[in-house]
This record gives sequence, C-alpha cells and structure tokens, in this order.
Amino acid sequence: GENVEQHPSTLSVQEGDSAVIKCTYSDSASNYFPWYKQELGKRPQLIIDIRSNVGEKKDQRIAVTLNKTAKHFSLHITETQPEDSAVYFCAASLMNRDDKIIFGKGTRLHILP
Amino acid sequence: DGGITQSPKYLFRKEGQNVTLSCEQNLNHDAMYWYRQDPGQGLRLIYYSQIVNDFQKGDIAEGYSVSREKKESFPLTVTSAQKNPTAFYLCASSSQSYNEQFFGPGTRLTVL
Repeated sequence: GENVEQHPSTLSVQEGDSAVIKCTYSDSASNYFPWYKQELGKRPQLIIDIRSNVGEKKDQRIAVTLNKTAKHFSLHITETQPEDSAVYFCAASLMNRDDKIIFGKGTRLHILP
Repeated sequence: DGGITQSPKYLFRKEGQNVTLSCEQNLNHDAMYWYRQDPGQGLRLIYYSQIVNDFQKGDIAEGYSVSREKKESFPLTVTSAQKNPTAFYLCASSSQSYNEQFFGPGTRLTVL
C-alpha cells in the first residue's frame, strides 16, 4: 500500500543551526505535500505545504523542497530557535485513490541551548 | 483555536464498553477525518468523510464506527471489538481535498 517514510525519528541541533527532515513517498501520482508541527500537548498545525508543480517554497525560516523524480521532499529550518522544538510530520496526498492524506511517523526536533 | 472542537478531552472506559467521541466544526468544511496517534506511529487514518451521509474506511477502521448525519458533526464510536483502544484521537476537517487540514484538540482515551 501507500507509504510515507520520514527520517530521522529524532533530531537534535544547536540553537542557531539548521535542521533538515526528509521524507519519501511511494505513489508517483501524489501532488500535495504538507508539513505539520505538533508542540507538546497541542494539536498538529500546518506550517508549510508544496504542490507538485513547484520544486521549492519558502516562508521566512522554513523551506520545503520537492524532487518528484526521486519521490522525496524535505523540510529545512534555518536559524533554529527554542520554539522550534516539536514533532514534525510530513504527509502526501494520493491522487489516484480516495482523497486521503498519508502521514509520516514524525520527527521529534530538539533545539539545544 | 476555535473552529473545530472535540469532547471530552480525557475519557476513561472499562473493557467491553463502547464509547463515542465527539467532533464538531463550524468552518463549513465538507471533509472530516479521524486519526489515531500512538507514540512513534504518527497519525493513522481511521475513517474519513467527504460529504454528509457518506464516509470511507481508513487504514485502521477495524473496531471503530462513524456517522455523518450533519455537515458539522462526525462522531467516532470506539467499540468493544477494538483490541487496543487506549490512544490519543484527533479529528480534522478541510474545505476540500489537497488543502489544509485543521485539527481539533484531541481526546485521550484510556481503557481501564
């Protein structure tokens, strides 16, 4: 079945450094790739998304890149801050089936002081 | 954080009992979803509905049931057939496919 793989499961970076989280998907027809951030005890919230007709999208310190040929996409956070500590989920939508979004298993990001 | 609500926040149930989790949204969204979240497992889809009076099974539908009688409401029943129901349950809605899903605050269910 459809699958979204996310790596790493845990990531620790020094405050001010960059963090990169990578995801791969199996269905080449997927065309929508959102990223969600879930802080401890809170609900997931969308932080950025990208559609298959673009290769990169930026929003301040956050950027997402998409490589459709390789079927992978990545989240880049620059100049990390303590409030970036959270669990991040990637996801991919499936065009050739019902309108489901499949989530990766998440990456717990720790920003070290 | 308004727009989509879930109740109760915490729920305790004895083995063998059915329990219903509430999800309500006032965002006028057509699509609604139920996810189960376990540590290290991400968000797994239980059921989803794209329109009133219609819903589809997700990846882990066994032991769960839903209804969609109103656009605003999408309750989830955890039945006694669900072998390991203790988890955090999240409801979400979206205006249409391939758009942002808005999540509720979640219900933490514990089976005693």
